[in-house]
Amino acid sequence: GEDVEQSLFLSVREGDSSVINCTYTDSSSTYLYWYKQEPGAGLQLLTYIFSNMDMKQDQRLTVLLNKKDKHLSLRIADTQTGDSAIYFCAERSTASKLTFGTGTRLQVTL
Amino acid sequence: DGGITQSPKYLFRKEGQNVTLSCEQNLNHDAMYWYRQDPGQGLRLIYYSQIVNDFQKGDIAEGYSVSREKKESFPLTVTSAQKNPTAFYLCASSIEGTFSYNEQFFGPGTRLTVL
Repeated sequence: GEDVEQSLFLSVREGDSSVINCTYTDSSSTYLYWYKQEPGAGLQLLTYIFSNMDMKQDQRLTVLLNKKDKHLSLRIADTQTGDSAIYFCAERSTASKLTFGTGTRLQVTL
Repeated sequence: DGGITQSPKYLFRKEGQNVTLSCEQNLNHDAMYWYRQDPGQGLRLIYYSQIVNDFQKGDIAEGYSVSREKKESFPLTVTSAQKNPTAFYLCASSIEGTFSYNEQFFGPGTRLTVL
């Protein structure tokens, strides 16, 4: 079955860039996503990328997709304390189902 | 305001009791989903429904049941057969179809604690 993996924790200083990495196994993935979860809340979609793209930029967010290595990354420029959250990578290989990674907890220190 | 609501936010139950978690959406979405979240394990799919009166098991359906009698509602029952029910439960919905990025919109979650 599909599998999506992420490292569990990342700590960065305020103002630095954060890079959160994700690997997936399903080569038939059509879309890949990054979701953000604030403490005790649901998930919110941050950005997504279609599988035929290599890169997508949206303000402070840059998504890089290496389809050959099945590697997805999310770069947050000028990381702020408000960016502290859990970030989930997800992939979609069928019309309805998403497979989520374990989530990476981003801690932003002053 | 369109959105997806879950109630209650916190739920406590005694071991051996069934409990039903509510999920309602007014986004006119066809598809609805239930996930379970445990620390360090991410989100795992319990059940999903692509259309009214139809639903499919996800990866961890044992000990859970659902119904989809109305488009807006997708309640989840945690039965006494679920061996470790204490968790954070998230409901989501999305439009259906393959030619779209199909964002899943999430509710705020229900934290279930079984004593």
